[in-house]
Amino acid sequence: QVQLQESGPGLVKPSETLSLTCTVSGSSINSDYYWGWIRQSPGLGLEWIGSFLHSGTTYHNPSLKSRGTISVDTSKNQFSLRLTSVTAADTAVYYCARVRTSGHFHECFEIWGQGTAVTVSS
Amino acid sequence: DIVLTQTPLSLSVTPGQPASISCKSSQSLLHSNGKTHLYWYLQKPGQSPRLLIYEVSNRFSGVPDRFSGSGSGTDFTLKISRVEAEDVGVYYCMQSIKFPLTFGGGTKVEIK
Repeated sequence: QVQLQESGPGLVKPSETLSLTCTVSGSSINSDYYWGWIRQSPGLGLEWIGSFLHSGTTYHNPSLKSRGTISVDTSKNQFSLRLTSVTAADTAVYYCARVRTSGHFHECFEIWGQGTAVTVSS
Repeated sequence: DIVLTQTPLSLSVTPGQPASISCKSSQSLLHSNGKTHLYWYLQKPGQSPRLLIYEVSNRFSGVPDRFSGSGSGTDFTLKISRVEAEDVGVYYCMQSIKFPLTFGGGTKVEIK
């Protein structure tokens, strides 16, 4: 059974960097799936942040203006999100997910973590 | 960016009655690979979104057959043939034909 679990600080100060980790079990992040991050805030609803494939192919949402970076630790079967220069607008529940992938085509998010709430406040 | 517009914003349904949700896209979601990249999710209260339908009309593993999806091009519909109490939550459509991936604004389904 594939499971994903997000972890990270629940509170981040404005202008600082948000770092979250997704730990995957039951599936290797080196397999032929994309993996991604999505967030959900009351104001913006569901917003895709970015996705990656183990080969190095990575996509990010331009709305984040290059503030987001996804990295991978294959030894721990984890991937991480760094979001720099955060503001109150980055307050959200952050989800990691496995992507339904067909021939390296990024389809939909088929398996989600339970999400982790992040508040940006001083 | 592709905009997905869902209607209605909310729906109150008597158990056993049908329900229908519309999702309209600002661009065609038909890819040259022949697939249409429109998906439906249900987010129950306090839970993560759960995939219901992929590629317009295919039920994901474990999804009851009272859920069905239809449509083509830019207009899509999710139907629940007989709503049950466990179907309450917010339904979202999503597209992946083009980055950035986008979601509809959601339709909240409640039980009367």
